[in-house]
Amino acid sequence: AQSVAQPEDQVNVAEGNPLTVKCTYSVSGNPYLFWYVQYPNRGLQFLLKYITGDNLVKGSYGFEAEFNKSQTSFHLKKPSALVSDSALYFCAVRPHSLGSARQLTFGSGTQLTVLP
Amino acid sequence: NAGVTQTPKFQVLKTGQSMTLQCAQDMNHEYMSWYRQDPGMGLRLIHYSVGAGITDQGEVPNGYNVSRSTTEDFPLRLLSAAPSQTSVYFCASRGTGGTGELFFGEGSRLTVL
Repeated sequence: AQSVAQPEDQVNVAEGNPLTVKCTYSVSGNPYLFWYVQYPNRGLQFLLKYITGDNLVKGSYGFEAEFNKSQTSFHLKKPSALVSDSALYFCAVRPHSLGSARQLTFGSGTQLTVLP
Repeated sequence: NAGVTQTPKFQVLKTGQSMTLQCAQDMNHEYMSWYRQDPGMGLRLIHYSVGAGITDQGEVPNGYNVSRSTTEDFPLRLLSAAPSQTSVYFCASRGTGGTGELFFGEGSRLTVL
């Protein structure tokens, strides 16, 4: 069965500093990997995805993520954090395989707080 | 663009009552799904559908029913609500192909007393 681990429930960073939100995954075969963001009392919004190719993926709002196959990780990064980046971030994985196993599995989420 | 619309946004039920959470999308997406979000547990898949007339169970289907009579609509039914079903429910859809991202509704917060 596939799974996603987000080892940090909470990440605090000062505005202007770089931020990293960690994600590791377990899946049979090659993965599709996603990051979503959730603002208070809102639905999840897509940030970026890795399908194949370049290990560094760029997404919305200046975010990027690096796929590392050997470490089975897909950490979310941003060079300079903004207070408005404060939100709940979810990593998700789906295998390339067909059938019901192709469902998206989410991590437990990481609350990012950017301090002014 | 409406995207994915969920109703109601808030609902309070008593144990044993039934209700339906509505979900509609206007993007002509074949795939639709229901998740529940609980603190510290992320999102867990309840049911999903890959097209009209086709539904399947996800990770936590017990206590919930779904149907998909049209491409646009995917209602979630609670037949006999239990306090364990207190949660925030999200409907999501995506196009065919598997690599596309999910589009989420704004959520429905359900409290079962």
